[in-house]
Amino acid sequence: DTGVSQDPRHKITKRGQNVTFRCDPISEHNRLYWYRQTLGQGPEFLTYFQNEAQLEKSRLLSDRFSAERPKGSFSTLEIQRTEQGDSAMYLCASSISGSLPEQFFGPGTRLTVL
Amino acid sequence: RKEVEQDPGPFNVPEGATVAFNCTYSNSASQSFFWYRQDCRKEPKLLMSVYSSGNEDGRFTAQLNRASQYISLLIRDSKLSDSATYLCVVNSGYSTLTFGKGTMLLVSP
Repeated sequence: DTGVSQDPRHKITKRGQNVTFRCDPISEHNRLYWYRQTLGQGPEFLTYFQNEAQLEKSRLLSDRFSAERPKGSFSTLEIQRTEQGDSAMYLCASSISGSLPEQFFGPGTRLTVL
Repeated sequence: RKEVEQDPGPFNVPEGATVAFNCTYSNSASQSFFWYRQDCRKEPKLLMSVYSSGNEDGRFTAQLNRASQYISLLIRDSKLSDSATYLCVVNSGYSTLTFGKGTMLLVSP
């Protein structure tokens, strides 16, 4: 499968714990995005990378959230000191710069904070 | 005002019906427009891009009115497999996409 992959698919954690999610984009895609989606809402943008550079961050991305893409390939999203309000589906997407901004989404990581 | 607003739904229609979804966006500088489809507990998938001249893909027709900042999606001859949430999506000149809340479609036999 050459699509966007995410790991893990599901994560249950206790409030206050740290969690880390991984995203592997489509191999030739140099742009990578993180979104968050809660029930009944559309995905909300969190942050985006072009190659290894983090070019934009949403105001939704509090100080407890950090994302990296060290080699311009896979990316990680870490949430520190999780809160119940962090429970959501975290979606990763990738695209190619210089073309129509069509983004291809991964299956998501569903986070439940107890 | 939200950046992208859609009909609240859900839309319940019988097989074979024609259904139309409406969407408005607030940023007049928006440059690209899309409809994504999202099945329950799955990721969004691109259904079609929306061009100023309007475009059609089989049973699906998308229209864009830049003056009114309005986008529509028409589905003809609905199939059971069309049941999903349809997301109106706008790209405003930056690389990120802004999604509406989505409109759920339920097609019944």
